[in-house]
Amino acid sequence: QVQLVQSGAEVKKPGASVKVSCKASGYTFTRYYMHWVRQAPGQGLEWLGTIDPSGGSTRYAQKFQGRVTMTKDTSTSTVYIELSSLRSEDTAVYYCARELSSGWVNWFDPWGQGTLVTVSS
Amino acid sequence: SSELTQDPAVSVALGQTVRITCQGDSLRTYYASWYQQKPGQAPMLVLYGQNSRPSGLPDRFSGSSSGNTASLTITGAQAEDEADYYCKSRDTSGSYAFGGGTKVTVL
Repeated sequence: QVQLVQSGAEVKKPGASVKVSCKASGYTFTRYYMHWVRQAPGQGLEWLGTIDPSGGSTRYAQKFQGRVTMTKDTSTSTVYIELSSLRSEDTAVYYCARELSSGWVNWFDPWGQGTLVTVSS
Repeated sequence: SSELTQDPAVSVALGQTVRITCQGDSLRTYYASWYQQKPGQAPMLVLYGQNSRPSGLPDRFSGSSSGNTASLTITGAQAEDEADYYCKSRDTSGSYAFGGGTKVTVL
């Protein structure tokens, strides 16, 4: 079955960087865009950006431009998100999600289990 | 603009019907998709397009869209439907956005 498995929880100090992985299985990795979404404690969902696992092209939310980098490793069917210059407001659960689309419709399914990133001094 | 607006909370009596709405300019061009999230769990797709459900999802979940508003309706709400629900859409620039979420309480 289609599955996205993310790396484990991270604790980082302010100013540091964090890199989270998302390993895909059960489908052709290069056929579907992957997205990253985060959720701060008690808050809603926030879109961070997307990567094309085929060519590696990316599109980032304007808010995170310059601080976020998304990469992929086709040999292991894994995508990565790296967020730099961490601050306490970056404390959140980070999710990867596969995009499916048809015409004017697109949707995210499935989602990874989430990775908690805690930024604390 | 990719901003999407949802009511923060709604309640519904067990077995009754509840409609959750999502408003935004991007919905005039792109369909919304809807996600259910229960405490401590990852979001899960419940609806996409005009009215398409993932396989295995109960048919009490349905959707509609008109103008700048998308709606998710739960007909005959069950206790297990109590959750947060988020709409999502994209805009013409290729960015995506989520609504603020609606907490559904089943009484």
